[in-house]
Amino acid sequence: DVKVTQSSRYLVKRTGEKVFLECVQDMDHENMFWYRQDPGLGLRLIYFSYDVKMKEKGDIPEGYSVSREKKERFSLILESASTNQTSMYLCASSLGILDRDHQPQHFGDGTRLSIL
Amino acid sequence: RKEVEQDPGPFNVPEGATVAFNCTYSNSASQSFFWYRQDCRKEPKLLMSVYSSGNEDGRFTAQLNRASQYISLLIRDSKLSDSATYLCVVKKPDSWGKLQFGAGTQVVVTP
Repeated sequence: DVKVTQSSRYLVKRTGEKVFLECVQDMDHENMFWYRQDPGLGLRLIYFSYDVKMKEKGDIPEGYSVSREKKERFSLILESASTNQTSMYLCASSLGILDRDHQPQHFGDGTRLSIL
Repeated sequence: RKEVEQDPGPFNVPEGATVAFNCTYSNSASQSFFWYRQDCRKEPKLLMSVYSSGNEDGRFTAQLNRASQYISLLIRDSKLSDSATYLCVVKKPDSWGKLQFGAGTQVVVTP
């Protein structure tokens, strides 16, 4: 089974802090993704990476950055946390650099981040 | 218009009954489709992929209608454990595996 592990289930930070969310997958997947999920809005893609040191902006990258120094690890960084970044953050991974059909994404447990 | 639209529900279903719901997508070039299940405060989990000819996995049946750009999920003989939010997911064409998620349809199975 694919295992995607996020470093924290719950996190509380203060406005202006720099926040790091870590994600590790153990299936040698090329693609990794960071989403946030808010009630009524569904999952929205923040950033994704299709290879080490490669990153692409998703639909809502503002206020975030990412780092992928190793294939198995994809980090999301909130440069200066704000209250509107309070959300559930989900990391996912999937197989394949090529744009293959029917390659689902596998999710970590999620991190509930509260910014006070 | 949202790229993937779902009826949020809730669909209240008596145990043992059948429930079905649809999802529409806007990009006619979309190629891959999935249903995910998400329990309250948990991560989404893949329920099933949706193939062109339709496919079945136990009590779950998924159908794809490309002409009308919708996919459907049918649950037969509903169990209490089927209570969850079902996310319709569409792979964007030429997108490095990026997926577009609907906001979900809530199903509540009652005794």
